[in-house]
Amino acid sequence: EIQLQESGPGLVKPSQSLSLTCSVTGYTITSGYDWSWIRKFPGNKMEWMGYISYSGSTNYNPSLKSRISITRDTSKNQFFLQLNSVTTEDTATYYCARRRIFITTTFDYWGQGVMVTVSS
Amino acid sequence: DIQMTQSPSLLSASVGDRVTLSCKASQNIYKYLNWYQQKLGEAPKLLIYYTNSLQTGIPSRFSGSGSGTDYTLTISSLQPEDVATYFCQQYNSWPTFGAGTKLELK
Repeated sequence: EIQLQESGPGLVKPSQSLSLTCSVTGYTITSGYDWSWIRKFPGNKMEWMGYISYSGSTNYNPSLKSRISITRDTSKNQFFLQLNSVTTEDTATYYCARRRIFITTTFDYWGQGVMVTVSS
Repeated sequence: DIQMTQSPSLLSASVGDRVTLSCKASQNIYKYLNWYQQKLGEAPKLLIYYTNSLQTGIPSRFSGSGSGTDYTLTISSLQPEDVATYFCQQYNSWPTFGAGTKLELK
């Protein structure tokens, strides 16, 4: 069974960087698919942040392009999110998910999410 | 961005009811519309993709329909385990999501 699990600090100070890890079990991230980060803000608006493909290429939401980086460690079957210069508006629950392209783009496996608060 | 608007935001229904949830796009999304279910404390689950294709393992009481800008998710006979938040997602140049409909038992 494919499982994704997010981890990282729950509290980040404004202007600092937010760093999260997604650990994947049951599937090797270099075998296929794209590996995404998605966040849900208080009030339930959700935003796709970006992905890293099985080959290592990345694609980011244009609204975040200057602040975001998604990388991976294939030896650990993990991928990572770094979001720089955070503000209180980056307070959200962060999810990692597998992106599947079959007719359309779907997210067919998700982690449970990790809540991150940006506050001094 | 394509904006996705879901209605209602909260829906109360009884076991056995036929339930319909709505998702409206700000422009034509050509049926590139998916539905997810998220139960409290759990990871979201893909229910339906491309408007009406049922994801493997999802009960047949779930169905989807729509075209253009207007889409619906229908539960033919509500079960207690269907209590959850349901959200839609479209894919154009990048994915965008609706804010969800919270479904509770009356």
